[in-house]
Amino acid sequence: AQSVTQPDIHITVSEGASLELRCNYSYGATPYLFWYVQSPGQGLQLLLKYFSGDTLVQGIKGFEAEFKRSQSSFNLRKPSVHWSDAAEYFCAVERAGGSEKLVFGKGTKLTVNP
Amino acid sequence: EAQVTQNPRYLITVTGKKLTVTCSQNMNHEYMSWYRQDPGLGLRQIYYSMNVEVTDKGDVPEGYKVSRKEKRNFPLILESPSPNQTSLYFCASSLSGYSGYTFGSGTRLTVV
Repeated sequence: AQSVTQPDIHITVSEGASLELRCNYSYGATPYLFWYVQSPGQGLQLLLKYFSGDTLVQGIKGFEAEFKRSQSSFNLRKPSVHWSDAAEYFCAVERAGGSEKLVFGKGTKLTVNP
Repeated sequence: EAQVTQNPRYLITVTGKKLTVTCSQNMNHEYMSWYRQDPGLGLRQIYYSMNVEVTDKGDVPEGYKVSRKEKRNFPLILESPSPNQTSLYFCASSLSGYSGYTFGSGTRLTVV
C-alpha cells in the first residue's frame, strides 16, 4: 500500500532563512507527487507537482521540490522564507494512472520567527 | 472564479440526526473526493468519484454515503452521525490524476 512519511511534525525557522521539508513515500513505481499548503482556517492549496520529466520542479510562492527516485523522496525547499509562509505543509502521493486516490502525509507545521 | 464550494462551513448537530454536506465545483472536473482531517492523523480519504454515477470507497468510508448524480455535485451524507465523526471535512475535485486536486474551504462538523 502507498504511504507517505513526513518525519518532521514541526519546524521553526527565522525569516530569511532557507527551508527544507522532508517527504518520503513508499510505493513500487513512480507515483504522482504533490505538495500542498494549508494556512490556518483555510483549505489546501497546491504548491507543486511531479509526475515525470525533470526531477526538480518549480511551484508557486517561490517553492521548489526535488524528486529522488533512489531515496523515494520528494523534499520541498525554499531559499528564503517569508513570515507569510507560516502554515502546514502536506506531501501527497497518487498511484500513477490509477484510482485518483491521493494519500497524504501527516503534515509539517512551519513556524517563522521574525 | 474556478472553485470548489462546500456548505455549510460550520455545523453543530446531535447524534443520530441525518445531515448532508454539499459540494459543488464549476471546473467541469471528472474526479471528486471527500477527505476528513483530524489532528495527528492528517487527511484521510472517505469516498471518491471518477465520474457521474461512479463512486468508490476511500480509507475511512464507514458511516458515510455519497452520490454523484451530476458532474458538478458530490454531496456527503451522514445518515446517523456519531461523535467520532466530529472532524474537518474537505471536498476536492480534479481534472485528471496528475493535475492535482482543488480543495474547498472545509466544513467543520461537531456531533454532540
